[in-house]
Amino acid sequence: DGGITQSPKYLFRKEGQNVTLSCEQNLNHDAMYWYRQDPGQGLRLIYYSQIVNDFQKGDIAEGYSVSREKKESFPLTVTSAQKNPTAFYLCASKATGSHEKLFFGSGTQLSVL
Amino acid sequence: KQEVTQIPAALSVPEGENLVLNCSFTDSAIYNLQWFRQDPGKGLTSLLLIQSSQREQTSGRLNASLDKSSGRSTLYIAASQPGDSATYLCAEYGANSKLTFGKGITLSVRP
Repeated sequence: DGGITQSPKYLFRKEGQNVTLSCEQNLNHDAMYWYRQDPGQGLRLIYYSQIVNDFQKGDIAEGYSVSREKKESFPLTVTSAQKNPTAFYLCASKATGSHEKLFFGSGTQLSVL
Repeated sequence: KQEVTQIPAALSVPEGENLVLNCSFTDSAIYNLQWFRQDPGKGLTSLLLIQSSQREQTSGRLNASLDKSSGRSTLYIAASQPGDSATYLCAEYGANSKLTFGKGITLSVRP
C-alpha cells in the first residue's frame, strides 16, 4: 500500500531533550511538509521541502530542524529551544504540480513530561 | 498574507439533513482548493480537490464548489449520516507553493 508513515504515534519529551519524529513516504512525491496542530488553532506550517537536499522554513520554524537526504524521508527534530512542543504533528506530501492533492500521515502526538 | 476562514466552528444536525460547509479565502491567485476530513486523533483524509479552472467536484454524497471571484468554496453533504461526524478542513494552494488551512468545522450528526 502506498502512503505516508509517521512514527512514533506517541512521543514524550523531557525538558532539555531533542526528539526526532519520523516521516517516510512511498508515493514518489517530491514535496514534503511538516505541520503542527494545536486545539482551536488549525494547522501551522513548520518546514517544507520541494526537492531532495533543499527545504524552507514555514510560519513557525523556530525551535525545529529538518533534513531531506532522501526523497522518501523528511524527519523533524524538535529541539530544546522549542519551549511549547506539546502538539499533534502531521507530515504530508504531494507530487510536483499545482493541481496535485496533498496526502497526510496519521500523525504523532508529542507531549512534555 | 493568505487567510482561510471557516465559520461556524461547530455544527450539529439531525441525521438525513443536507448541509453546506463554508470556506472563505483571500488569495486571488489561488491554484486549487482542497477539502479534508479529520477524525479525532487521526491524520487528514483528502475528500475533494477543485482546480482554479473548475467550478465543482463531486464524490458520492459530497459536492464541492469554488467561486474565485467571491473567494468562497462550499462543501455540500447530502443525506448526512452519523458516520459523517468529523472535523472538515479546507485549504487553498497558492502561488507561494504552500497550503493555507482553515481552522475547520466540527460536524456532529445526531442519530
